[in-house]
Amino acid sequence: AQKITQTQPGMFVQEKEAVTLDCTYDTSDPSYGLFWYKQPSSGEMIFLIYQGSYDQQNATEGRYSLNFQKARKSANLVISASQLGDSAMYFCAMRIPYPYNNAGNMLTFGGGTRLMVKP
Amino acid sequence: NAGVTQTPKFRVLKTGQSMTLLCAQDMNHEYMYWYRQDPGMGLRLIHYSVGEGTTAKGEVPDGYNVSRLKKQNFLLGLESAAPSQTSVYFCASSYIRLLYNEQFFGPGTRLTVL
Repeated sequence: AQKITQTQPGMFVQEKEAVTLDCTYDTSDPSYGLFWYKQPSSGEMIFLIYQGSYDQQNATEGRYSLNFQKARKSANLVISASQLGDSAMYFCAMRIPYPYNNAGNMLTFGGGTRLMVKP
Repeated sequence: NAGVTQTPKFRVLKTGQSMTLLCAQDMNHEYMYWYRQDPGMGLRLIHYSVGEGTTAKGEVPDGYNVSRLKKQNFLLGLESAAPSQTSVYFCASSYIRLLYNEQFFGPGTRLTVL
């Protein structure tokens, strides 16, 4: 079974500093995708960044980058130059594609990390 | 382009009452999903659909039923609500099974069962 673990329930970071949110995953499937979503206090789920298991380079999207270490099965999110608006819950999720997964490409989510940015 | 919408946004039910949550998407996505999020936890899949007229069970399907009569709509029903079903419910949709296709989420429905 697939599993996502986020070991940091809550974190503080000083505004303008970088922060790393940890994510480890467990799967025996060779093909998978890793996603990070942001959930602000308003509740919506906002897609941030994606990394495929066969991607050679780490994904980047603006201030977000994904530190993908396949051998360690980790996919940490790095946020550079934190802003007050980055305060939110952050979820790591994994998708196993059909036909390995008979659940229509469902996402398996970790428990989340609450990030609080201090001014 | 509204994306994924959910109605209602909030609802309070008494134990044993029934209700239907409506999800609609205007992106012509094949796949649609219903998740629930409990306090301090990530989302868990309730049911999903890979196309019009098809539905399947996810991780936590008990106590819920779904229907997908039209491609753009995915309904989640609670026949006899229980306090354990107090949660925030998210609908999501995505294109067909390409690995990198992100799921687009609706704004959520906060349900309280007394």
